[in-house]
Amino acid sequence: AAGVIQSPRHLIKEKRETATLKCYPIPRHDTVYWYQQGPGQDPQFLISFYEKMQSDKGSIPDRFSAQQFSDYHSELNMSSLELGDSALYFCASSFTGGADTDTQYFGPGTRLTVL
Amino acid sequence: AQTVTQSQPEMSVQEAETVTLSCTYDTSESDYYLFWYKQPPSRQMILVIRQEAYKQQNATENRFSVNFQKAAKSFSLKISDSQLGDAAMYFCAYGYNFNKFYFGSGTKLNVKP
Repeated sequence: AAGVIQSPRHLIKEKRETATLKCYPIPRHDTVYWYQQGPGQDPQFLISFYEKMQSDKGSIPDRFSAQQFSDYHSELNMSSLELGDSALYFCASSFTGGADTDTQYFGPGTRLTVL
Repeated sequence: AQTVTQSQPEMSVQEAETVTLSCTYDTSESDYYLFWYKQPPSRQMILVIRQEAYKQQNATENRFSVNFQKAAKSFSLKISDSQLGDAAMYFCAYGYNFNKFYFGSGTKLNVKP
């Protein structure tokens, strides 16, 4: 079965640079979530989209922005990167009309390292 | 506000034995969903099992089963016949109405050969 695709899988950036993370949800899934997971921590919610509209916002820095496009893929844009932004970034998707209600399927994550 | 608590930071089990991971949560909702996710060293988040709060029957998936106590707001995961491949971080998660997940802090499971 198709899974959530994230690219790139690994990303190394310098401080103050910009990064763009991409997420391709499972086909037919209409909701996308972004989470940030630091070392030894549980995933922290950043932002979500339903049908291309922002549906919820968590502790996402103002330096970060995200959107969901017409083909349902989503991008997380991160500017003025800081050392503390180094983390694993997960994208998850779900389908509001399915039997597996509220189930989020996670991608493999993008490991961002800021030097 | 919803909170999820996993009080066991780390647990160990002998291969082929049974282990139970604990999770408690707090919510004022009546219809919600609870999940256990496994995160192996690869750090992929893998769905293990899902429980619908309005169902009294405990969910099972092969060697994995849950003990869901709605009144006590408790949701434990039992792993039977533990295998080396079960070694991972396990996260309990709460979901409601397609909103964000609330995760517990995780339990690291070690499996001894």
